[in-house]
Amino acid sequence: NAGVTQTPKFRVLKTGQSMTLLCAQDMNHEYMYWYRQDPGMGLRLIHYSVGEGTTAKGEVPDGYNVSRLKKQNFLLGLESAAPSQTSVYFCASSYSRAEEEYFGPGTRLTVT
Amino acid sequence: AQSVTQPDIHITVSEGASLELRCNYSYGATPYLFWYVQSPGQGLQLLLKYFSGDTLVQGIKGFEAEFKRSQSSFNLRKPSVHWSDAAEYFCAVVAGGFKTIFGAGTRLFVKA
Repeated sequence: NAGVTQTPKFRVLKTGQSMTLLCAQDMNHEYMYWYRQDPGMGLRLIHYSVGEGTTAKGEVPDGYNVSRLKKQNFLLGLESAAPSQTSVYFCASSYSRAEEEYFGPGTRLTVT
Repeated sequence: AQSVTQPDIHITVSEGASLELRCNYSYGATPYLFWYVQSPGQGLQLLLKYFSGDTLVQGIKGFEAEFKRSQSSFNLRKPSVHWSDAAEYFCAVVAGGFKTIFGAGTRLFVKA
């Protein structure tokens, strides 16, 4: 079991560029999440999904879009990157809402 | 709105000393409560969780936490800290809906 994997691990973007972060899990989890982690702010939920084909907004969704076309994958897109989106992004998954979340290793994104 | 407060940004303890990390939450009912640990450059790993029942819960790596309803607290403890415990610790709650709310984190330093 690979658990939760994220690609890429690092990325540098220029303002206005777009990119997609890929999250994959092999645990057959229904729930998947995208968080961003910034110093002193803990983790903040960007978007989440409660099953294949579903997505919903979290705490800080502006500037991001997501898709869950397959149960095992959850994609996070930045259509026009801004310096404020410089952060470490974590994907997580869980079997149900009140169960442990399993986290990927993170993607460090810098927008210049 | 639900919130999680970790009052200590960082704590330094000597190896072998006891540890207590504080966590307070704001929610009308009893939420699901979690403690996660994050080592540098890694994702988060679950230490323990509380849903109901016995208010003292045991976790991995010798950690325990006590839920106190009257104080809206869920403090993490360890009787004897090891150098490998140096990391950042996050308290989290799931309180209604599908969103996990994380505290800002407490960074633990262990001195020899």
